[in-house]
Amino acid sequence: DSGVTQTPKHLITATGQRVTLRCSPRSGDLSVYWYQQSLDQGLQFLIQYYNGEERAKGNILERFSAQQFPDLHSELNLSSLELGDSALYFCASSRGDEQFFGPGTRLTVL
Amino acid sequence: GENVEQHPSTLSVQEGDSAVIKCTYSDSASNYFPWYKQELGKGPQLIIDIRSNVGEKKDQRIAVTLNKTAKHFSLHITETQPEDSAVYFCAATDQTGANNLFFGTGTRLTVIP
Repeated sequence: DSGVTQTPKHLITATGQRVTLRCSPRSGDLSVYWYQQSLDQGLQFLIQYYNGEERAKGNILERFSAQQFPDLHSELNLSSLELGDSALYFCASSRGDEQFFGPGTRLTVL
Repeated sequence: GENVEQHPSTLSVQEGDSAVIKCTYSDSASNYFPWYKQELGKGPQLIIDIRSNVGEKKDQRIAVTLNKTAKHFSLHITETQPEDSAVYFCAATDQTGANNLFFGTGTRLTVIP
């Protein structure tokens, strides 16, 4: 158990819908990262927050957004969902170099 | 940005044999190289990492080597056991200093009892 929690575990929704994925980092970790894992693209970095502020952006679509709250938990919002957004979404947290991953949310868009 | 290549994509070994997975990276400014193990239905688990000022690091049956000149690093697992069967990912950070990870495409390791 990494100490990073993610909810929900599974999410099934329809095209065009909007969903919110939630992540609670390990106690004391200020950085939260979001990654997408799909069969064709592998594990890809989406976005990073540090102590409530956006720190870096990767291959994140404009339809996706994230935020980190004062209690350091983070949410990833995915809107106007398309079939190709079906994937595993992981968050990770760190206080140094080492990143610890949560169990992921499996999103299925029908 | 950083580009990480990983080989082989699949690897089968007999229990007790060694397994080696190799990665190359493109950004000479990268300075942190972790390895993750992912079991079915779980998130990636950090198993070992190495920083650019070190050439080799060992933790029990797992070792990682880094060649900064050639920009490649490798994972070595000795005395493999069936519970080592999983997908292994190498990663490298980019030059921005934000510590974001760029992953290889993964190696599915199967240890045959």
